[in-house]
Amino acid sequence: SQTIHQWPATLVQPVGSPLSLECTVEGTSNPNLYWYRQAAGRGLQLLFYSVGIGQISSEVPQNLSASRPQDRQFILSSKKLLLSDSGFYLCAWSQGSGNTGELFFGEGSRLTVL
Amino acid sequence: AQSVAQPEDQVNVAEGNPLTVKCTYSVSGNPYLFWYVQYPNRGLQFLLKYITGDNLVKGSYGFEAEFNKSQTSFHLKKPSALVSDSALYFCAVTRSSNTGKLIFGQGTTLQVKP
Repeated sequence: SQTIHQWPATLVQPVGSPLSLECTVEGTSNPNLYWYRQAAGRGLQLLFYSVGIGQISSEVPQNLSASRPQDRQFILSSKKLLLSDSGFYLCAWSQGSGNTGELFFGEGSRLTVL
Repeated sequence: AQSVAQPEDQVNVAEGNPLTVKCTYSVSGNPYLFWYVQYPNRGLQFLLKYITGDNLVKGSYGFEAEFNKSQTSFHLKKPSALVSDSALYFCAVTRSSNTGKLIFGQGTTLQVKP
């Protein structure tokens, strides 16, 4: 069966510090991968998605970047965090082929920028 | 542009009573529709989806949803609510030609009281 892992689960960082959140998927190959941000426990905003190694699409302009160095690894980064980067970050995957749209989410990473 | 509306921030229901969580959508082309549930500080869990076929879709934990094309709605229902159903519920939509990039509603908090 497929599983998705995200870490760290919780992170407190000072303004201006770097960020790296990691996500890996097991039990499938060539998945589509996504980073969402959830602010204030409500709606989700799609930040990045990837259909393959090195292929990243950004949905909104922002202070963050994403990379996909391996087929089942997706990394969310920032060189200098802003207060507004605080939030709950969710990684998700979907089938790369025969995709009927459903996403499967990790447990999330809560980032607090102070 | 695609959009999803969940008109109720919160729904309160007594245990054992039927529940409905409302969702309306706007999308060009054929919609793929989804419901997810989120417990506090957790990732989203997939409940059910509508792709095509029967308008009444059954999902996990006794939930079901009815696709109504004329009203562009996809309301989530359960005949008998449990206290453990209390959580945040998200409706999401994508186009059949653009699977994977889900657009989420703002979420509805379901509170089931004993």
